Amino acid sequence: AQTVTQSQPEMSVQEAETVTLSCTYDTSESDYYLFWYKQPPSRQMILVIRQEAYKQQNATENRFSVNFQKAAKSFSLKISDSQLGDAAMYFCAGVGYNQGGKLIFGQGTELSVKP
Amino acid sequence: GAGVSQSPSNKVTEKGKDVELRCDPISGHTALYWYRQRLGQGLEFLIYFQGNSAPDKSGLPSDRFSAERTGESVSTLTIQRTQQEDSAVYLCASSPTLKKSETQYFGPGTRLLVL
Repeated sequence: AQTVTQSQPEMSVQEAETVTLSCTYDTSESDYYLFWYKQPPSRQMILVIRQEAYKQQNATENRFSVNFQKAAKSFSLKISDSQLGDAAMYFCAGVGYNQGGKLIFGQGTELSVKP
Repeated sequence: GAGVSQSPSNKVTEKGKDVELRCDPISGHTALYWYRQRLGQGLEFLIYFQGNSAPDKSGLPSDRFSAERTGESVSTLTIQRTQQEDSAVYLCASSPTLKKSETQYFGPGTRLLVL
């Protein structure tokens, strides 16, 4: 079984500042992928970044980066130089080796950005 | 089309009625997924298709829920004898293959309200 836990229901950041969203992914598998998805008020889920469990290097996509600590089961998302358009629900998700593409999602963190 | 589309956008129905929700995936995408998102919650996996085959139906909440897919095209999620607890946003996603590394591209969802 896999569980994804996001312990921060809400977070707030000042525009241009940096914020980190937390996630833990618990699984007995050694090979899996982790994702961060963004859901703005329009409801359209958009992929932000992905990380393969076997890769030691943390993924980076422009202002977004992850800190993946496999032993600690931690998968946090760092947003640098926050922009007003970053305000959204952020979901952490994972998929195991034999799970097809079946994503298991956390409960989400609502991020607000203050001007 | 450029992305995943779903119809209707919103559906209000009376308890006990049947509803059909439609998903048009991105052309050429083999894999198609259905998720349910209750208010303030994360996404809950329902079912996925590889082509028109559904290898994993484990997420369907009850036998009132069924889904089918025509070839590698349109999918329909049917809920029979709707109950108030079925009220949620139903999201569809597609991906080129079933590889766990693939990005899932989501539609805007259908918001279902059962009165």
